[in-house]
Amino acid sequence: AQSVTQPDIHITVSEGASLELRCNYSYGATPYLFWYVQSPGQGLQLLLKYFSGDTLVQGIKGFEAEFKRSQSSFNLRKPSVHWSDAAEYFCAVAPRGGYNKLIFGAGTRLAVHP
Amino acid sequence: DVKVTQSSRYLVKRTGEKVFLECVQDMDHENMFWYRQDPGLGLRLIYFSYDVKMKEKGDIPEGYSVSREKKERFSLILESASTNQTSMYLCASSLLSREDFWDTEAFFGQGTRLTVV
Repeated sequence: AQSVTQPDIHITVSEGASLELRCNYSYGATPYLFWYVQSPGQGLQLLLKYFSGDTLVQGIKGFEAEFKRSQSSFNLRKPSVHWSDAAEYFCAVAPRGGYNKLIFGAGTRLAVHP
Repeated sequence: DVKVTQSSRYLVKRTGEKVFLECVQDMDHENMFWYRQDPGLGLRLIYFSYDVKMKEKGDIPEGYSVSREKKERFSLILESASTNQTSMYLCASSLLSREDFWDTEAFFGQGTRLTVV
């Protein structure tokens, strides 16, 4: 069955520290890959996406993610976290072609300590 | 600026009521989706539609139905609301991906927080 796993439900980091949020997927073929962020009381905003090509993708707000086919992973990283990054982060996948059904992970809630 | 608009931010309904959640997009997208979001469960797909009058069940369709009479509008219907349907409901839309067309970014509405009492 198709699935997306975000192993960390909550993560707390200090402001200025580096961040890595994990995402693993189970899919028959390499899907499209996405990271979304949801700030409190807000809708979902796309941070970045991977379709093909360079496996390191750059997104908004200083985030990047690396696609590793051998590990079926698409981990999100940021070298220095800001207090405004506190939010919930969702990894999502969609199959190539067809009807592009988006499947989400359970999310990782990030807290940032001053 | 792209836009997905959900008709209500907050709704309170009584058990047994028929509830309509409306979603409109102005981007001429083929795909539209309804998700519910619950703490610790992420977003779970209820239904999606890839064309007018076409619909496919998602992972949790029980107790819900949908309607897509026009391309820009996708309605979620709770035939008889129950307390376990209290949740945040999110609508999204995206272009249909084809072999030679790679942009499938989904755009989300602000959500409707539904409370069933």
